[in-house]
Amino acid sequence: SQKIEQNSEALNIQEGKTATLTCNYTNYSPAYLQWYRQDPGRGPVFLLLIRENEKEKRKERLKVTFDTTLKQSLFHITASQPADSATYLCALLMDSNYQLIWGAGTKLIIKP
Amino acid sequence: GAVVSQHPSRVICKSGTSVKIECRSLDFQATTMFWYRQFPKQSLMLMATSNEGSKATYEQGVEKDKFLINHASLTLSTLTVTSAHPEDSSFYICSARGQGTYSNQPQHFGDGTRLSIL
Repeated sequence: SQKIEQNSEALNIQEGKTATLTCNYTNYSPAYLQWYRQDPGRGPVFLLLIRENEKEKRKERLKVTFDTTLKQSLFHITASQPADSATYLCALLMDSNYQLIWGAGTKLIIKP
Repeated sequence: GAVVSQHPSRVICKSGTSVKIECRSLDFQATTMFWYRQFPKQSLMLMATSNEGSKATYEQGVEKDKFLINHASLTLSTLTVTSAHPEDSSFYICSARGQGTYSNQPQHFGDGTRLSIL
């Protein structure tokens, strides 16, 4: 079965630096990969979607890459701000059943 | 746009009580709604998928008689936890996908319900 690995340890980054989060998966390549932000006690909020035939996607200070050879997606936040502190979840959408499979998320802490 | 409202945000009740959680899409029609359960520092666990006007599809290991789902309209789905026990305590989150959107489109989430059974 498909498994997703996200760094379970919190990532501490100095304000203004680029934060990079990793999402690794096993087995089949998903058709789509999505990144969400989740704040404590809140539901996830959609950020970016990238298709398997896309290498990179950008939205303002956010950038997502998708490497089907490495079975990995990287999520970058440039010029990070304390307000970017949250847990970031990656989710894979499988072509076979269109079901989302979720990672456990990585907690990002941006220090002022 | 694409706002999903979930109520209540927090419930504390005695063991044996049944609890109903509502999930509403406020500014769009949701053909499909999803119910998740989330434990601390763990991934979202899909419990069931509900389509308007039809029976919900439950994931393996989820008791359909325990977690009753109703999706009577394009803007409302409810999850009822029947005869709740302490082990049912968790964070329950609903999400919705807009009518006419492809399965690859993102889901829009409510803010979750923290259920605590004493």
